[in-house]
Amino acid sequence: NAGVTQTPKFRVLKTGQSMTLLCAQDMNHEYMYWYRQDPGMGLRLIHYSVGEGTTAKGEVPDGYNVSRLKKQNFLLGLESAAPSQTSVYFCASGTSGYNEQFFGPGTRLTVL
Amino acid sequence: AQSVTQLDSHVSVSEGTPVLLRCNYSSSYSPSLFWYVQHPNKGLQLLLKYTSAATLVKGINGFEAEFKKSETSFHLTKPSAHMSDAAEYFCVVSAFTGNQFYFGTGTSLTVIP
Repeated sequence: NAGVTQTPKFRVLKTGQSMTLLCAQDMNHEYMYWYRQDPGMGLRLIHYSVGEGTTAKGEVPDGYNVSRLKKQNFLLGLESAAPSQTSVYFCASGTSGYNEQFFGPGTRLTVL
Repeated sequence: AQSVTQLDSHVSVSEGTPVLLRCNYSSSYSPSLFWYVQHPNKGLQLLLKYTSAATLVKGINGFEAEFKKSETSFHLTKPSAHMSDAAEYFCVVSAFTGNQFYFGTGTSLTVIP
């Protein structure tokens, strides 16, 4: 099993550009999450999904959109990137909101 | 509402001495509690979890944590630090009725040879 994978691993964008981060899991998990990690702030939840076709906002959703068209994939979109979105992005999946989450290796995004 | 406070942002210990990383939580419901470790430029790995079974939880690599409801604490300990333990550690809380994890801001552990 590959677990949770993220594509790409690194990306540099210019302000105003758009991009999509892809998260894939092969554990048949219902729940999937997108976080961002910034120094000294831990991980903050951007959006999450409790099943195929569903999405919900987390703590810091502004400037991001998500889609969960297939159970195994969870996409995070930035429509118009800003320097404040420079961060490391982690995807995670789990069987419920109560049990452990399994994390991907992260995507390092820099917005110039 | 759920929240987590990690009481130390940085902890330094000498190799072979005990490790104590402190975590207090707040939860309106019966919580699940977790400790995750993150090595430099890596993802997060689960160390251990508490989900309302035994209050003393043993995890990987010799770590353990004790759930103390009266103190709303879930401190992480290890009897003897190893150089490979140097990493960032996150305490996390979730609730049975919730869909989300709530992360502490992390504790950076340095192990001095």
